[in-house]
Amino acid sequence: DQQVKQNSPSLSVQEGRISILNCDYTNSMFDYFLWYKKYPAEGPTFLISISSIKDKNEDGRFTVFLNKSAKHLSLHIVPSQPGDSAVYFCAASARTGNQFYFGTGTSLTVIP
Amino acid sequence: NAGVMQNPRHLVRRRGQEARLRCSPVKGHSHVYWYRQLPEEGLKFMVYLQKENIIDESGMPKERFSAEFPKEGPSILRIQQVVRGDSAAYFCASSPRQLGNNSPLHFGNGTRLTVT
Repeated sequence: DQQVKQNSPSLSVQEGRISILNCDYTNSMFDYFLWYKKYPAEGPTFLISISSIKDKNEDGRFTVFLNKSAKHLSLHIVPSQPGDSAVYFCAASARTGNQFYFGTGTSLTVIP
Repeated sequence: NAGVMQNPRHLVRRRGQEARLRCSPVKGHSHVYWYRQLPEEGLKFMVYLQKENIIDESGMPKERFSAEFPKEGPSILRIQQVVRGDSAAYFCASSPRQLGNNSPLHFGNGTRLTVT
């Protein structure tokens, strides 16, 4: 049962434009959400997070938006750079739980 | 300031052999998680441990798999009598606090297990 879903396996964006990666979840108990970036043959690297008391969190070129009523979050990268090309995973956890649930990832390619 | 260290990076085992995967968490982190990534899939939770205790092993197969995080030394994920379906990337992650404290996981670079 996939509680965190990333429905777009891949995304291509021109350098300098905005990249928007989407994530949906089913468990209303989730209250902490994260985005990780992963290069081939490396482990996931934490990028940005948001708690359920907020609807937006910004860190430099990265902004995460949370829509609790729609159970949807998105990651905006602007401007996109070739070095952003990687697989992006969203993840979620519940205060009462013991694990982070991960989506299946979206492979972002930023074209120079 | 070392991050999560996993070794070996690559491990090849024949069917029926044992695989031992090691993980040293970030210094000061007492919470360790193991995740598995099968080809073309996302990260699947296996087990959550604190020092000397298994807190949640709901994601780990009941047979052949075991994990420990002793008082001294690294966390170990052990797979006995490996089968081809065990071939995957195994990632260890650590955290300074329990879930519910809005603390992200810090991942190692994984061990890629290949069973021939």
